[in-house]
Amino acid sequence: AQSVSQHNHHVILSEAASLELGCNYSYGGTVNLFWYVQYPGQHLQLLLKYFSGDPLVKGIKGFEAEFIKSKFSFNLRKPSVQWSDTAEYFCAVNARAAGNKLTFGGGTRVLVKP
Amino acid sequence: KAGVTQTPRYLIKTRGQQVTLSCSPISGHRSVSWYQQTPGQGLQFLFEYFSETQRNKGNFPGRFSGRQFSNSRSEMNVSTLELGDSALYLCASSSRDGMNTEAFFGQGTRLTVV
Repeated sequence: AQSVSQHNHHVILSEAASLELGCNYSYGGTVNLFWYVQYPGQHLQLLLKYFSGDPLVKGIKGFEAEFIKSKFSFNLRKPSVQWSDTAEYFCAVNARAAGNKLTFGGGTRVLVKP
Repeated sequence: KAGVTQTPRYLIKTRGQQVTLSCSPISGHRSVSWYQQTPGQGLQFLFEYFSETQRNKGNFPGRFSGRQFSNSRSEMNVSTLELGDSALYLCASSSRDGMNTEAFFGQGTRLTVV
């Protein structure tokens, strides 16, 4: 069975600081990788996704993530955060043999201080 | 293009009752998945329906069931409600069968069991 772990439960930053959220998964087969964001009071939205090709993927709002296959990692980064990036971030994995079943990490709550 | 629509948005039920939640996927999407979100357990996969067939099932008791109709709309039913079933139930729709696809989430139904 696949599992996903996010290293930090809570992160507090000041505006303009850089953000990096760690995500590791365990699964031996081919996977699709995602980062979703949940802003306060809103539904889950896709930030970015990796299916294949260039392991460095760019998403919306200046976010990017790097897939390192040897480390089973898919870390999320943003060079300079804004107050509006305050949200909960979820890493998710979909094993291609498992239809559209997503396995989520526990989430990381990010608070950006103005 | 309308997003994923879940009804109702909020629900309060008494222990022992049963409840039905509804999800209308994005037009043209044939895959519908359900997730339970709680503070303690995070986001957990319940089941996925594709073309009216249950394709995947998570580790939930048989009190949790679902179905999908020919128009891809889906319902989820929970019988004999327990206090621990209080959660945000999320529906996600996907356009393809798991290959290089992403899930779009609805706003969720907040179920409170008293």
